[in-house]
Amino acid sequence: LAKTTQPISMDSYEGQEVNITCSHNNIATNDYITWYQQFPSQGPRFIIQGYKTKVTNEVASLFIPADRKSSTLSLPRVSLSDTAVYYCLVGDRGSNYQLIWGAGTKLIIKP
Amino acid sequence: NAGVTQTPKFQVLKTGQSMTLQCAQDMNHEYMSWYRQDPGMGLRLIHYSVGAGITDQGEVPNGYNVSRSTTEDFPLRLLSAAPSQTSVYFCASSKRSRDSSYEQYFGPGTRLTVT
Repeated sequence: LAKTTQPISMDSYEGQEVNITCSHNNIATNDYITWYQQFPSQGPRFIIQGYKTKVTNEVASLFIPADRKSSTLSLPRVSLSDTAVYYCLVGDRGSNYQLIWGAGTKLIIKP
Repeated sequence: NAGVTQTPKFQVLKTGQSMTLQCAQDMNHEYMSWYRQDPGMGLRLIHYSVGAGITDQGEVPNGYNVSRSTTEDFPLRLLSAAPSQTSVYFCASSKRSRDSSYEQYFGPGTRLTVT
């Protein structure tokens, strides 16, 4: 199965840019890499997805190098409300296709 | 649209009891899945379905059964509850299955405690 690795936790301050990196191997060649956000007592919520290079939407950017062995979620100018757990999601390259979730990075934003 | 709904929100079972967690979606999504999330941990896939009548096992299927008789509903059955099944259960759906580019929509979760 594909394997993902994310930092367990990160701290930052309001107004800073935060970058969270997920390392992944054996991912499906033609599949996107996706990131989700989860608040306590809620289900995960889609943030952004990408295949290669850089993708930007209204809340985040996603950087994916050419070898696709990692991806970096960038949150610009974070606020206290960005305190959450962030997950990367990839597709497995194996024949028994499955979606593989990272273990999650707990991001704490301080005032 | 109500999105993905799950019932019940909370449940307490005794060891050995069985029950069904309900999940329904009104977005006409092909793909539905069940995850469990233990305290402080990530999501683990239990079972998934790529369409009505088609189901398959995920990472941690033991002790659980599923069926998909309609596009809308995807119930999860606990056959004989064990304390190790104490967890939060999330149901999710998306338009397609074999591609993580399709956004998954999650239900609010069911908190299950087995004593």
